[in-house]
Amino acid sequence: EIVLTQSPGTLSLSPGERATLSCRASQSVSSSYLAWYQQKPGQAPRLLIYGASSRAAGIPDRFSGRGSGTDFTLSIRRLEPEDSAVYYCQQYGSSPHTFGQGTKVEIK
Amino acid sequence: QVHLVQSKAEVKKPGSSVKVSCKASGDTFNNCGIIWVRQAPGQGLEWMGGIIPIFGSTNYAQKFQGRVTITADRSTTTAYMDLRSLRSDDTAVYYCARARIAEASPYDYWGPGTLVTVSS
Repeated sequence: EIVLTQSPGTLSLSPGERATLSCRASQSVSSSYLAWYQQKPGQAPRLLIYGASSRAAGIPDRFSGRGSGTDFTLSIRRLEPEDSAVYYCQQYGSSPHTFGQGTKVEIK
Repeated sequence: QVHLVQSKAEVKKPGSSVKVSCKASGDTFNNCGIIWVRQAPGQGLEWMGGIIPIFGSTNYAQKFQGRVTITADRSTTTAYMDLRSLRSDDTAVYYCARARIAEASPYDYWGPGTLVTVSS
């Protein structure tokens, strides 16, 4: 089983700033099958990024992903109040499709 | 537009079973797998397993082997997650999600979740 470790646990930033979230895998993620999801309180997760760097439909270009192998990053440029949420990475290349423990982004 | 409609919240006694449903719209059952993910209160996301309806094939997380059964009814485009021998730590929101089967795919649509509370 691939273990995903996200850091930091919480990120507190001001509107307009840039957020950088990290996701590290215990072993290489095959073919960069790495996704990022956003979850707001009381809501289901929403797909943001897949294939490590491709944005899902309707996701603004303020969100970007990069990485390969065991190290992946989600960046959010020009933070807006609506970006306040928990962000999860997930690998879907090998079973079980594990998730990271999440990074909470707070907007000051 | 794709919709995944889940059954309503349930309260169960320890040791009993729960069956949560997920009705899919559109062409989901012909092109996608249905996956179940749960989230305990204040916790992260936990992958439970899934099914590819057109093949009937299933895959379960080792943690839930022997205690969970995922099925799909193609005539009603509804998937089911049956969890037995419930314990208090099974209290969680249970989500269904879909993923295309052509290649390893992310979960592009999610149901709203079903809260299952296990309490005596």
